[in-house]
Amino acid sequence: GEDVEQSLFLSVREGDSSVINCTYTDSSSTYLYWYKQEPGAGLQLLTYIFSNMDMKQDQRLTVLLNKKDKHLSLRIADTQTGDSAIYFCAEGTTGSARQLTFGSGTQLTVLP
Amino acid sequence: NAGVTQTPKFQVLKTGQSMTLQCAQDMNHNSMYWYRQDPGMGLRLIYYSASEGTTDKGEVPNGYNVSRLNKREFSLRLESAAPSQTSVYFCASSEDWGDTEAFFGQGTRLTVV
Repeated sequence: GEDVEQSLFLSVREGDSSVINCTYTDSSSTYLYWYKQEPGAGLQLLTYIFSNMDMKQDQRLTVLLNKKDKHLSLRIADTQTGDSAIYFCAEGTTGSARQLTFGSGTQLTVLP
Repeated sequence: NAGVTQTPKFQVLKTGQSMTLQCAQDMNHNSMYWYRQDPGMGLRLIYYSASEGTTDKGEVPNGYNVSRLNKREFSLRLESAAPSQTSVYFCASSEDWGDTEAFFGQGTRLTVV
């Protein structure tokens, strides 16, 4: 079946850039997502990218997609303490939330 | 701006007990979902309801039942809780079952002892 993998932890200094990586196995993935989960809260959709795109930028967030290597990354520029959270990568072959496959999440810790 | 509201936030059950997790959304969404989140794993879909009056199994439905009570509410029932059901449960909703964005509740942390 489909699999989505992420490293579990990442620590960065405040003001540095963070790069969170994700690999997936389903070559038919069409939609790739990044969700953010703050402590005690549900998941919040940060951004998503279609498989026919290589890059998407949204303010401090840059998503890069290497479809050949099935590799997705999320770059957060000028990381702030408020960015500390768990970041989930997810993929879907349709646009439906019912068919998403999630990674295990990366805990981002921003150090002062 | 309530969004998706889950109750309770925390629950401890003994093995064999039953309970119902409640979820309500005020966004007039058609589709609702129940996921479980286990340590070191991503969210896995338990059941979903594409629209009022319909429910379908997700990836891990065994040991659970659901009810789409009305458009707003979607409940998850554990008839006979088992320690393997210790998890964090998330309810979510989306405008339509084909929608790209799901809105999540804050989660229910369930421990079965």
